[in-house]
Amino acid sequence: EAGVAQSPRYKIIEKRQSVAFWCNPISGHATLYWYQQILGQGPKLLIQFQNNGVVDDSQLPKDRFSAERLKGVDSTLKIQPAKLEDSAVYLCASSEDRAYEQYFGPGTRLTVT
Amino acid sequence: AQSVAQPEDQVNVAEGNPLTVKCTYSVSGNPYLFWYVQYPNRGLQFLLKYITGDNLVKGSYGFEAEFNKSQTSFHLKKPSALVSDSALYFCAVRDMNSGYSTLTFGKGTMLLVSP
Repeated sequence: EAGVAQSPRYKIIEKRQSVAFWCNPISGHATLYWYQQILGQGPKLLIQFQNNGVVDDSQLPKDRFSAERLKGVDSTLKIQPAKLEDSAVYLCASSEDRAYEQYFGPGTRLTVT
Repeated sequence: AQSVAQPEDQVNVAEGNPLTVKCTYSVSGNPYLFWYVQYPNRGLQFLLKYITGDNLVKGSYGFEAEFNKSQTSFHLKKPSALVSDSALYFCAVRDMNSGYSTLTFGKGTMLLVSP
């Protein structure tokens, strides 16, 4: 079974630029999550999708972050414009349903200079 | 609000010795509890979970965890540590009585196993 795929693995941008991350969850997984992991901290949920609907985006900085999950499968997370404090690893995860364990992709390491 | 505490930033153990990584939690309802491991430049890997039933949960790579409701703890254990167990370990909790409650992670504990 293929795992959660993410791209790119690494990205370096200057502040005020925009960036997008892509995630392909495990086939058949209804729930998809985006997390932000700052160095030395545990992952923090940014947004949770159930199929193609948003069920929790309470911690998403909506003035600069946006996410969508087209057709309930792939998802993209965008930051526009980026700030220095956005430097982090962005993790995508999926699960069969919200009650089940989550499976994580390798993450995208973003550096904002 | 739900929360997780991992009181140790780092745990050091010699290979072959037993290891324990501590976790305590706080939720208003009944907890779902998870342990994940993260190797350098990798995503998190699921180790084990507690939902209901037996308080001793067995997981991947010989790890186990004991759920203690009265102490609100879910410590990760392994009888005999391997050097390859060296990694960052995260405990996480969600409230099973709250519809779409999120998974809250602790800050992580670095486990270093010396040869």
